[in-house]
Amino acid sequence: EPEVTQTPSHQVTQMGQEVILRCVPISNHLYFYWYRQILGQKVEFLVSFYNNEISEKSEIFDDQFSVERPDGSNFTLKIRSTKLEDSAMYFCASSEGGGVYEQYFGPGTRLTVT
Amino acid sequence: DQQVKQNSPSLSVQEGRISILNCDYTNSMFDYFLWYKKYPAEGPTFLISISSIKDKNEDGRFTVFLNKSAKHLSLHIVPSQPGDSAVYFCAASESVRAGSYQLTFGKGTKLSVIP
Repeated sequence: EPEVTQTPSHQVTQMGQEVILRCVPISNHLYFYWYRQILGQKVEFLVSFYNNEISEKSEIFDDQFSVERPDGSNFTLKIRSTKLEDSAMYFCASSEGGGVYEQYFGPGTRLTVT
Repeated sequence: DQQVKQNSPSLSVQEGRISILNCDYTNSMFDYFLWYKKYPAEGPTFLISISSIKDKNEDGRFTVFLNKSAKHLSLHIVPSQPGDSAVYFCAASESVRAGSYQLTFGKGTKLSVIP
């Protein structure tokens, strides 16, 4: 069964460093998303991406964040200068379409900022 | 601002019995609802969804009921199995708002199925 994959599974970085989290969405999916879950809190939407551009972003997704689909398979989330409060599980998701299409999630990357 | 609420942080059920997980929402623009199951150290796994044009959707042991007037949905698992023990998230979206397909999640309910 096709699945969303994410690398690395765990990333430790120092405050102020740049990190890139990588995702390979399901191959025939057209919509891509990033969510995060801070320990003990809800899963929160960060950004959605369609047709090579951001279609929607949340208040969390400020100028420190960017997304890119550098080739036909990868989808990346970059945090330019990490802060302690960026420590969280980051989940990539993809869906076949928008609207009433379920989103399929990857296993997540645990980001720890020290 | 909790637009999607799961008021029970945990639920314990005997194996073979019915598990009922509840979810309430406040945003009347939500028209598509999903349930996800999550094991520790894994991502949410899609279980079942329902559009607001329906009031029930069934898939095997899982049934989701939607009461739009009450802004309430529930997930029924019958019969419950020990492998169902996980955290269950309710999520909602505004499917008709073009370009806005973000899911808004509840805090989750931890289900424990006791053998």
